[in-house]
Amino acid sequence: GAVVSQHPSRVICKSGTSVKIECRSLDFQATTMFWYRQFPKQSLMLMATSNEGSKATYEQGVEKDKFLINHASLTLSTLTVTSAHPEDSSFYICSASNRSDSNQPQHFGDGTRLSIL
Amino acid sequence: RKEVEQDPGPFNVPEGATVAFNCTYSNSASQSFFWYRQDCRKEPKLLMSVYSSGNEDGRFTAQLNRASQYISLLIRDSKLSDSATYLCVVNPTAGSARQLTFGSGTQLTVLP
Repeated sequence: GAVVSQHPSRVICKSGTSVKIECRSLDFQATTMFWYRQFPKQSLMLMATSNEGSKATYEQGVEKDKFLINHASLTLSTLTVTSAHPEDSSFYICSASNRSDSNQPQHFGDGTRLSIL
Repeated sequence: RKEVEQDPGPFNVPEGATVAFNCTYSNSASQSFFWYRQDCRKEPKLLMSVYSSGNEDGRFTAQLNRASQYISLLIRDSKLSDSATYLCVVNPTAGSARQLTFGSGTQLTVLP
């Protein structure tokens, strides 16, 4: 069964809307979660590393004021795309690292397909 | 140069064929290596880890050559259900965060 739950799976909204995506680890505590973005026919690109109780670490070129990350508990991280525009349309995927599971480097959520009109 | 480079594909092979994918990585200090499978519009799923000694899981064989910074995946007796994009994934640093770097993927279509 799924160990990381991501919600919503699909979002279609107007330009200028802010969109919040939730990522939950269901049966383990995740001090670290990761947020990726994937454009069609391209690789997953790490956007930021979310650390419980502290500020997220953003990759070069990712605007922290545009993509707000909150990791307030050991089982929940949220990504908010603020004032989304059509170029933000993409597949956003979160993952969580379970230190107790040496076989799986990261467990991935189902992803959120974001379409900005 | 990309950190992880893969055969661009696509690979279209008949059922029962053997197909091999290659991957190179640029960071010689990389710690661990994986092959993931991603179906269309889905999240990636771990297929197998890759060890220096080479490892096999059923019809799948993965190999790692640290000297050449090269990783491979061999699929024998291809099934229709093997159709997917295969991602070469590298953990570039030691540490508990287990950050991953993904290749752009190789698309495989197994034809009836």
